[in-house]
Amino acid sequence: DAGITQSPRYKITETGRQVTLMCHQTWSHSYMFWYRQDLGHGLRLIYYSAAADITDKGEVPDGYVVSRSKTENFPLTLESATRSQTSVYFCASSESRGETQYFGPGTRLLVL
Amino acid sequence: GDSVTQMEGPVTLSEEAFLTINCTYTATGYPSLFWYVQYPGEGLQLLLKATKADDNGRNKGFEATYRKETTSFHLEKGSVQVSDSAVYFCALSDGRDDKIIFGKGTRLHILP
Repeated sequence: DAGITQSPRYKITETGRQVTLMCHQTWSHSYMFWYRQDLGHGLRLIYYSAAADITDKGEVPDGYVVSRSKTENFPLTLESATRSQTSVYFCASSESRGETQYFGPGTRLLVL
Repeated sequence: GDSVTQMEGPVTLSEEAFLTINCTYTATGYPSLFWYVQYPGEGLQLLLKATKADDNGRNKGFEATYRKETTSFHLEKGSVQVSDSAVYFCALSDGRDDKIIFGKGTRLHILP
């Protein structure tokens, strides 16, 4: 029972490069979410998805792109990474609207 | 809009001390309330939840009671252990939104 996984767990990249963070869940949950966690800001929602091919913006979507062609995958792409996107990124999923969210282990991203 | 306010940390206690982390909320309707815990280097995981007024959530010795009259969901534990050192997040879901609203988190340090 793998649950929810994220890859890579650690990533170092340079300003201006494109980076894709992967998220995969094995429960067939309808909802998936991407958050970033920064000191002093708590958790901030970047994007979320209610089902395959349905995505919506969260609190801080600028500079990020998501897609959801399959229920189990929800990749997050930084089109042109900036230093301000250095953060810890968490993916989460839930079975239905407003229900318990299950979080992945996180990806630590450093943009130089 | 809906919001969650929790006490700022860090909170530092000695082992076997009594713990209270305060959480109050603002919401229309009847939200579900959650406490999540994040251990160092890990993602958030559900600690306990309550879905209606006067419900008690309990897990791992932690307890929280959904108090509608005071719009509160304070987290308590009678005797903390070093292994309880973590960040604790209070959260709510009003059921009409796809998202869960998280508080900013309270860091807890338990000294041996």
